[in-house]
Amino acid sequence: NFMLTQPHSVSESPGKTVTISCTGSSGSIASNYVQWYQQRPGSAPTTVIYEDNQRPSGVPDRFSGSIDSSSNSASLTISGLKTEDEADYYCQSYDSSNHAVFGGGTQLTVL
Amino acid sequence: QLQLQESGPGLVKPSETLSLTCTVSGGSISSSSYYWGWIRQPPGKGLEWIGSIYYSGSTYYNPSLKSRVTISVDTSKNQFSLKLSSVTAADTAVYYCARRGRSIDYWGQGTLVTVSS
Repeated sequence: NFMLTQPHSVSESPGKTVTISCTGSSGSIASNYVQWYQQRPGSAPTTVIYEDNQRPSGVPDRFSGSIDSSSNSASLTISGLKTEDEADYYCQSYDSSNHAVFGGGTQLTVL
Repeated sequence: QLQLQESGPGLVKPSETLSLTCTVSGGSISSSSYYWGWIRQPPGKGLEWIGSIYYSGSTYYNPSLKSRVTISVDTSKNQFSLKLSSVTAADTAVYYCARRGRSIDYWGQGTLVTVSS
């Protein structure tokens, strides 16, 4: 079964840059697009990155996504951290049967 | 603006069938560009994809739930539905309906379903 692994938590100071990784268990993570979702407590997730590195309208350019085939991982980078960025972040992709797969989520603390 | 709204019982007894409906407004469920699906989140845990359906009726189910899940679509009502059979306490979660385009770009607000006698 295809799985996506994320760090459980990361923390960084306001104004700094943080990167959250998402590692694929098998195959090539580059074979299917990766999305990133932000979820604040009590709310449904929202998309911050789709198709590896595309930002929906309204998402600030402080958010960026990338793929590293050598490590079979995707990354979400948030620069110029703000306290409002504190949330859970989930990566998501698809397996070879078009089944959606989520990473376990990363809790971002901005302190 | 597209909106999705889940509806259904908030309490289900163990071994029974969980049934939820998602009503789509502000857009047509028959659009060829999108899948419609269900995602759940147990309290304090991560997201789990349950399955998706295309307006034509083609379905994709999470292999770990496939034996218990049925997703159907009613284009005349602009709704799609989830049935999960033989539920246990492990199925207690917030259930979201969602639209999948280039990402899962629209979500319902979520509905908490508790499995308890």
